[in-house]
Amino acid sequence: QQQVKQSPQSLIVQKGGIPIINCAYENTAFDYFPWYQQFPGKGPALLIAIRPDVSEKKEGRFTISFNKSAKQFSLHIMDSQPGDSATYFCAAKYDSSYKLIFGSGTRLLVRP
Amino acid sequence: DTAVSQTPKYLVTQMGNDKSIKCEQNLGHDTMYWYKQDSKKFLKIMFSYNNKELIINETVPNRFSPKSPDKAHLNLHINSLELGDSAVYFCASSPHDRENTEAFFGQGTRLTVV
Repeated sequence: QQQVKQSPQSLIVQKGGIPIINCAYENTAFDYFPWYQQFPGKGPALLIAIRPDVSEKKEGRFTISFNKSAKQFSLHIMDSQPGDSATYFCAAKYDSSYKLIFGSGTRLLVRP
Repeated sequence: DTAVSQTPKYLVTQMGNDKSIKCEQNLGHDTMYWYKQDSKKFLKIMFSYNNKELIINETVPNRFSPKSPDKAHLNLHINSLELGDSAVYFCASSPHDRENTEAFFGQGTRLTVV
């Protein structure tokens, strides 16, 4: 049972484009929603995270949009660069849990 | 000055062998994890330890046995390796704190069973 559904599986954009990656969750007890970035041969690293008391969070070129009623959240990458080419994972957990549940990942390629 | 380090980075072994992967974190975190990443990049939690106590065991075959000698170390021993165990295994650690819950991952151990 996949509790966090992520789409698309892969995404190709031109430099400067705005890739959008979407995630949907089922468990309304989740209250922490991070996005992780993974480069080939490396472990995932936290990019940005949001809690459900806000609808949007920006850090640099990365923005999370959160829709609590729809149980959906998305990552937008403004002015994307070839160096942003990586696999992106959304995730979710609730505070008392020790378990971070990941989406299936999106491979992003930003063409020069 | 690596935060979460795991060894080895690559492991190639034959079916039926027993192998171990070691993990150490110098972040002072209470909680450590093992995740498995399959060939489709899907990341799934295997185990979680908090202060050396097993908290999560996600229906992993009992050929996999984690061991936490202290809060900073979480090793993974795998008996009787099978072809399907081939994957990248990630160790991670995090505080268990509402205000600071970021999980830090090691660089991964690519296990290939032949």
